[in-house]
Amino acid sequence: AQSVSQHNHHVILSEAASLELGCNYSYGGTVNLFWYVQYPGQHLQLLLKYFSGDPLVKGIKGFEAEFIKSKFSFNLRKPSVQWSDTAEYFCAVNGLGANNLFFGTGTRLTVIP
Amino acid sequence: NAGVMQNPRHLVRRRGQEARLRCSPMKGHSHVYWYRQLPEEGLKFMVYLQKENIIDESGMPKERFSAEFPKEGPSILRIQQVVRGDSAAYFCASSLLAGGPNEQFFGPGTRLTVL
Repeated sequence: AQSVSQHNHHVILSEAASLELGCNYSYGGTVNLFWYVQYPGQHLQLLLKYFSGDPLVKGIKGFEAEFIKSKFSFNLRKPSVQWSDTAEYFCAVNGLGANNLFFGTGTRLTVIP
Repeated sequence: NAGVMQNPRHLVRRRGQEARLRCSPMKGHSHVYWYRQLPEEGLKFMVYLQKENIIDESGMPKERFSAEFPKEGPSILRIQQVVRGDSAAYFCASSLLAGGPNEQFFGPGTRLTVL
């Protein structure tokens, strides 16, 4: 069965600290991988996605993620977080040609100024 | 360019009443998806529609839930005879193209509370 695991439920960091949020998936076949962010009071927005090519993907606002096929992982990283990065982050996956996304339970990031 | 619109943003219903949730996709998008987020859980796919057609309803509960996307007007998610377990946030998304790596754009969600 398809599933996405985000092991960190709540992460608290000080500004300028480095960030890595874990995402592991279980899915048979070729996958497309996504990270979405939901800022307080706002809707889900796409941060970045991977579907082929370079496994290191760069997204908006200085975020990047690396697809490691052998580990079934797609961890999100940012070298130096800002207070404005406080949000909930969702990892999602779908299969080649599939219509629906499978989401993880989300990681709440709190950045302390 | 307006994004995905959902209304109402908050909806309160008593047990046994009907809930109607509306979703207007982004301009030019003909693919609509509905997801449900229960407390402390991730978003779960419910149904995928194109204009006038239900393409995939594998995530829809078998009873009381229905969805439509008419030729004109918004997509509607309808829940009949609501129960407390239906309390959740319901998100709609739309895409320009179907499936795979194509980005789904999300609306702000409708938070349904069943008393």
